[in-house]
Amino acid sequence: DTAVSQTPKYLVTQMGNDKSIKCEQNLGHDTMYWYKQDSKKFLKIMFSYNNKELIINETVPNRFSPKSPDKAHLNLHINSLELGDSAVYFCASSQGTSGGAPGTDTQYFGPGTRLTVL
Amino acid sequence: KNEVEQSPQNLTAQEGEFITINCSYSVGISALHWLQQHPGGGIVSLFMLSSGKKKHGRLIATINIQEKHSSLHITASHPRDSAVYICAVLKGAQKLVFGQGTRLTINP
Repeated sequence: DTAVSQTPKYLVTQMGNDKSIKCEQNLGHDTMYWYKQDSKKFLKIMFSYNNKELIINETVPNRFSPKSPDKAHLNLHINSLELGDSAVYFCASSQGTSGGAPGTDTQYFGPGTRLTVL
Repeated sequence: KNEVEQSPQNLTAQEGEFITINCSYSVGISALHWLQQHPGGGIVSLFMLSSGKKKHGRLIATINIQEKHSSLHITASHPRDSAVYICAVLKGAQKLVFGQGTRLTINP
């Protein structure tokens, strides 16, 4: 029944490893997002996808690669993890009436994935 | 200085009090969001507004575009309202910029 789900909820890994976080929404939405919340609790948008097409890519290192196999899924793969990547990563989805622009639709957030890089 | 500033950063009140959280921004925007982040970390969208005022239950959000200011009010506050409240503005068509959040604690 969960509208937006993420796995795993917690991820602890070593520097230099490659890891993935999965996100799925069952709301029939066209647009999905990845956000990063740092230790100071600031949220920043990383990516937005509309119908599997990348719409927003905010100055994120290219070690981060989003992949959208279909419009219900948006996964985040991170290569060569660094200490500074430790954060909580939130996936979200919205109706997509703005063609991928995030601001004018209500967004539904996943529970977050707490990534800790040691 | 952040483009979106919230005040206060922390707010503690007694149950039943009227709560106001403020959000000021320094850029032109097309929309503003209020979000609630629960103590467990989950985030819920409360309002999206581009003018005027919206009300949902005990929550009221207002925005003054000319003054670049928005407020979130909670009437008859309750301990379950304890959370971090986050303001976010839409710059142009795509960029969503977040404030640092206001941590609200309502004591019984």
